[in-house]
Amino acid sequence: NAGVTQTPKFRVLKTGQSMTLLCAQDMNHEYMYWYRQDPGMGLRLIHYSVGEGTTAKGEVPDGYNVSRLKKQNFLLGLESAAPSQTSVYFCASSYSEFRGGHGYTFGSGTRLTVV
Amino acid sequence: AQSVSQHNHHVILSEAASLELGCNYSYGGTVNLFWYVQYPGQHLQLLLKYFSGDPLVKGIKGFEAEFIKSKFSFNLRKPSVQWSDTAEYFCAVNPSRSMDSSYKLIFGSGTRLLVRP
Repeated sequence: NAGVTQTPKFRVLKTGQSMTLLCAQDMNHEYMYWYRQDPGMGLRLIHYSVGEGTTAKGEVPDGYNVSRLKKQNFLLGLESAAPSQTSVYFCASSYSEFRGGHGYTFGSGTRLTVV
Repeated sequence: AQSVSQHNHHVILSEAASLELGCNYSYGGTVNLFWYVQYPGQHLQLLLKYFSGDPLVKGIKGFEAEFIKSKFSFNLRKPSVQWSDTAEYFCAVNPSRSMDSSYKLIFGSGTRLLVRP
């Protein structure tokens, strides 16, 4: 099925470890986004990309890096994980315009725990 | 700063009760408006959207929302809820003419709805 695929689904890290979350979409969307979801705070934008080779900071970018080497993939990296980064991470993608009323398509999320 | 406010953080209803979830936004220009739903353990799914035209928008599963421009509101309603509507509901705003925001969505903090059988 077409959509947004995130890997892994679950991960436990020790403080200071690094990891990369992968997001892949097969809908030829130009825009891709990484959000974190925390209780009572909704979704907050970490980084986003408006096309292959481009990235931009969102609302809460500190402690994260991203790359978009291919149009279909958007990687989120944690260089040195901290307990404050314990969260559920969602990737989303969209067309460059919300044509036809399309909004975002979300992935199923990655639940990350940093101990 | 642009923001989206959902005033009800937790709502508990019995089946067949009517539902109204509030959403207000602070952006003064042209906006696109969305409601997303997140069922337990699942990702966000689009419930309904408003881009232009009739301010009363009908979505899936019997949900509807009304855009009131003068009140900067986009409240979600359902006449009779079911146990299966138990989920978290997010309002989101896209400032469609903003050069800076392009196609980003600004989300509210969410409302957790529990429907008791």
